[in-house]
Amino acid sequence: AQSVAQPEDQVNVAEGNPLTVKCTYSVSGNPYLFWYVQYPNRGLQFLLKYITGDNLVKGSYGFEAEFNKSQTSFHLKKPSALVSDSALYFCAVRRYTGGFKTIFGAGTRLFVKA
Amino acid sequence: DVKVTQSSRYLVKRTGEKVFLECVQDMDHENMFWYRQDPGLGLRLIYFSYDVKMKEKGDIPEGYSVSREKKERFSLILESASTNQTSMYLCASSPYKGPLSNQPQHFGDGTRLSIL
Repeated sequence: AQSVAQPEDQVNVAEGNPLTVKCTYSVSGNPYLFWYVQYPNRGLQFLLKYITGDNLVKGSYGFEAEFNKSQTSFHLKKPSALVSDSALYFCAVRRYTGGFKTIFGAGTRLFVKA
Repeated sequence: DVKVTQSSRYLVKRTGEKVFLECVQDMDHENMFWYRQDPGLGLRLIYFSYDVKMKEKGDIPEGYSVSREKKERFSLILESASTNQTSMYLCASSPYKGPLSNQPQHFGDGTRLSIL
């Protein structure tokens, strides 16, 4: 079955420390991979995407993500966390199932403590 | 900037009512989507549309229908609301760039629907 997994419901990190939010996927073929962020009472906002090429993708607000084909992972990273990064993060994969659809992970809540 | 507007932020309805959720986008996007968001389940696709008057079922279409009479507007209809349809509903749009499109989706702020 094609799926996206975010193994951590919650990630806690101190302000100024590096952060990682994990994502693994199980999709046939070469997927398109996305990260979105959701702040309280708001819709999802696009952060970054991987299509092809360089495995390290840079996105908005200083975030980056590393694509690892052998481990089928697409972890979100930031070198120095801010309190304002506290939000809900979703990994998503665009897949072909007779048409193209995007499937989302369950989400990981990030808490950055001052 | 793309603006996706959902007509209501909060809505309370009764069991058995017919409920309409409206979504409008201002960027002439071909694709529009309706998702529901539940804790621990992420986003699940209800219906999507690639063009006016065109619709396709997503992963959880039961109990829902949609209407797309104009390109900018995509409506979600709960035919007979039930308590298990209490949820956050998110509308999204994206431009069509062919079947291999890698364009991200743009989301509205959501409608939190409670069915009593």
